[in-house]
Amino acid sequence: DSGVTQTPKHLITATGQRVTLRCSPRSGDLSVYWYQQSLDQGLQFLIQYYNGEERAKGNILERFSAQQFPDLHSELNLSSLELGDSALYFCASSSGRVLKYSGNTIYFGEGSWLTVV
Amino acid sequence: AQRVTQPEKLLSVFKGAPVELKCNYSYSGSPELFWYVQYSRQRLQLLLRHISRESIKGFTADLNKGETSFHLKKPFAQEEDSAMYYCALRGGSQGNLIFGKGTKLSVKP
Repeated sequence: DSGVTQTPKHLITATGQRVTLRCSPRSGDLSVYWYQQSLDQGLQFLIQYYNGEERAKGNILERFSAQQFPDLHSELNLSSLELGDSALYFCASSSGRVLKYSGNTIYFGEGSWLTVV
Repeated sequence: AQRVTQPEKLLSVFKGAPVELKCNYSYSGSPELFWYVQYSRQRLQLLLRHISRESIKGFTADLNKGETSFHLKKPFAQEEDSAMYYCALRGGSQGNLIFGKGTKLSVKP
């Protein structure tokens, strides 16, 4: 168990709909990352938050948005869903602090399976 | 540009044979390199990181800055090693991971 919790584990929704994926990072971790894993694109970095602020943005579509709340949990909002958005969405967390020797490891959750029909 | 290349989509070996999963990277500074393993589309688990130079489940990886490589090796493959292996790069200690496309390792009995 990595300590990163994601809900829901599975979600089936129709095209055009909107869903919210939730992530609770490991206790004490300030950084949260979202990744999308699809069969054709592999693992794509979407966005990173650090202590409530957006830190880095990757290949995230404009239809997608995310935020990190004061209690450090994060939500990924996916709207106007298309068939191609079907994927496994991972949340990950790390301490976010500069750690000289430990490498500041990124730990992944179990993922949320999204199927758009 | 930051990039991680895993040239093999699939690597199939017999149990007991040596395994080498290739990873090359492109990064202008001093990156951190990692190997993650994923069993049956479950969560990604950290296998190795170059900073700690540890050996997990018999796997080792050495960072070769001259060849910009971080190949994963195991002298004797086991059936339970069958999984997807991802090489990843991190530009700084607080940055995100850039992943390669992954290599599926299949160990046959």
